[in-house]
Amino acid sequence: AQSVSQHNHHVILSEAASLELGCNYSYGGTVNLFWYVQYPGQHLQLLLKYFSGDPLVKGIKGFEAEFIKSKFSFNLRKPSVQWSDTAEYFCAVISYRGSTLGRLYFGRGTQLTVWP
Amino acid sequence: DTAVSQTPKYLVTQMGNDKSIKCEQNLGHDTMYWYKQDSKKFLKIMFSYNNKELIINETVPNRFSPKSPDKAHLNLHINSLELGDSAVYFCASSQYSGQGSNTGELFFGEGSRLTVL
Repeated sequence: AQSVSQHNHHVILSEAASLELGCNYSYGGTVNLFWYVQYPGQHLQLLLKYFSGDPLVKGIKGFEAEFIKSKFSFNLRKPSVQWSDTAEYFCAVISYRGSTLGRLYFGRGTQLTVWP
Repeated sequence: DTAVSQTPKYLVTQMGNDKSIKCEQNLGHDTMYWYKQDSKKFLKIMFSYNNKELIINETVPNRFSPKSPDKAHLNLHINSLELGDSAVYFCASSQYSGQGSNTGELFFGEGSRLTVL
């Protein structure tokens, strides 16, 4: 079975610091990759996604992620975080079986706390 | 104009009771899901239905029974509630089948927080 690893369980930063959250997955074939964000008390919302083309994808609120196929990684970055970025961040991966989508797998999540 | 809506948002009940959570999506998707999020924020898939057919049925106690009357609705019924059932339950939908630009992206409802006393 596939697995998705988010190595940082809790990250604490000051405002304006740079952010990088790690995500690695175990599947060797074609994948689509996602980062979701869950603000306190809210539901999961899509931050960004990669399914083809430029491996550097830009999402909402200044976030970006880079797909490095050789490293099975899809790390999330933001050059300067804000207090309002405090949230839980989930990496998710879905693989293809031929041309058919498989199942989506989520990482365990990373709690980001930003101090003002 | 909510895409994926769940009711109720909050549910407080006693152990041993039976309760249901309803979910509806107006995105025209063919697949719906139930996820359980525990106090550590871990997301665990419970069930998935594609065009009213059960396609994912994880190791979940048989006290949990999903029902999909049509592809826009997926309800979750829980019998004999236990303390450990306390969690936030998220419904989600996606377009799973077919070719083209389907990416597997999930669209989530706002969650139903279940508290069992």
